This record gives sequence, structure tokens and C-alpha cells, in this order.
Amino acid sequence: GDSVTQMEGPVTLSEEAFLTINCTYTATGYPSLFWYVQYPGEGLQLLLKATKADDKGSNKGFEATYRKETTSFHLEKGSVQVSDSAVYFCALSVGNTDKLIFGTGTRLQVFP
Amino acid sequence: EPEVTQTPSHQVTQMGQEVILRCVPISNHLYFYWYRQILGQKVEFLVSFYNNEISEKSEIFDDQFSVERPDGSNFTLKIRSTKLEDSAMYFCASKIQGMHQPQHFGDGTRLSIL
Repeated sequence: GDSVTQMEGPVTLSEEAFLTINCTYTATGYPSLFWYVQYPGEGLQLLLKATKADDKGSNKGFEATYRKETTSFHLEKGSVQVSDSAVYFCALSVGNTDKLIFGTGTRLQVFP
Repeated sequence: EPEVTQTPSHQVTQMGQEVILRCVPISNHLYFYWYRQILGQKVEFLVSFYNNEISEKSEIFDDQFSVERPDGSNFTLKIRSTKLEDSAMYFCASKIQGMHQPQHFGDGTRLSIL
């Protein structure tokens, strides 16, 4: 079935370091891809999305490119801040109902 | 910015009791969803709802679960007879019409079954 695989966390970085969180997917159809972020004590917030191959989603300095050939949607940021500390979820949506299938989430901890 | 609101933020219930989790989706949204996240595990799809009926449900969404949109603004999830393993964070989400539109999530209800 359809699934999303994310790198295990936690990812621990110093402020201003480069971030990559890997995400790969398996889907029978042609999914849309999303990154959601969950700050402590809060719900899931959409960070960025991409709906077709080679699309690049971007928001708040984060980027991810829909790579159909490698079935990947890796999240990157050039210079992280302490305020980026959160759990990041990669997800895909499929089918008529657009239900979301999530990865396990990756906790990012950024230290000053 | 409009948002999805969920109440209560935390619900504690005795095993075997009924519980209703409430959600107010964003007003012009037409598709509604419930997800759950057991502590330490991934977020799992439960059910989707469109045009006043269930459009898809997962294996988790058995006969103990039901959803309702009673008054055009609220969207509720009822668990008829709770079990210990129902303890989780439950998220409501909604989205507008159209392909590839993102779902907007509430802050969740933490359900603790004793």
C-alpha cells in the first residue's frame, strides 16, 4: 500500500547549520506531497506542499522538491534557528478523498 | 487567519464510557477528517466526510466509532464504548473543494482512557 518513510530522529543541530530531513514515499497513484510541522503543544501546521514532479515547495526558508524518479521529497533549510525546533512530518495524499498518509515524524532540536 | 478549533483539549474518561470529541472546521471548507496519534507513533487516518456522509474510513474506524455533522458548523467524533487502546491525540482537519488542496488541522484533543 501507500506509505511514507522518514529518517529517524532526533536531529540535533546548532543554530545556522544546514538541515536535511529525508523523506521517501511509495504510492500506487500520483500523490501530492506535504510537509507538516508540529510545535510543542500545538497541532499540525502545513509547512509546504508540491503537487507534481519537479515542483518545489517553499516556506519560511524551508524547501522540498518532488522527485518522481527517486520517489523522494526531502526537506531542507540553509540556516536553522532555535525557533525551528519542532517535529516535522512528511505526508502524501491520494485518492478521491485526499486522505493523508504520514511518516513517523522527525524531531528537530536546534541549540544556540 | 481562520482555523480549525477542537474541544476539549484534554478528555479523561473511564473505560467503557462514551466520549464525543468536537471540532469546528473552517467555515467554507467542505471536506472533513479525523486522525489519531497514539503516543510515540505516527499520525493515522481514521475517516473522511463529505456531503454529509463518510467518504472513506480506515480499518481502525470500526463500529465503535461514528462521525456526525449535526448543525452545519460542528463535526464530531463519537467513540461508543472506549477501550484503553483508544488513548491518543485526536486531530480534526478540513479542506476546501479542489484537488491537491492542503488539509488544515486543529490543535487536537488528548483522550486518556482510565
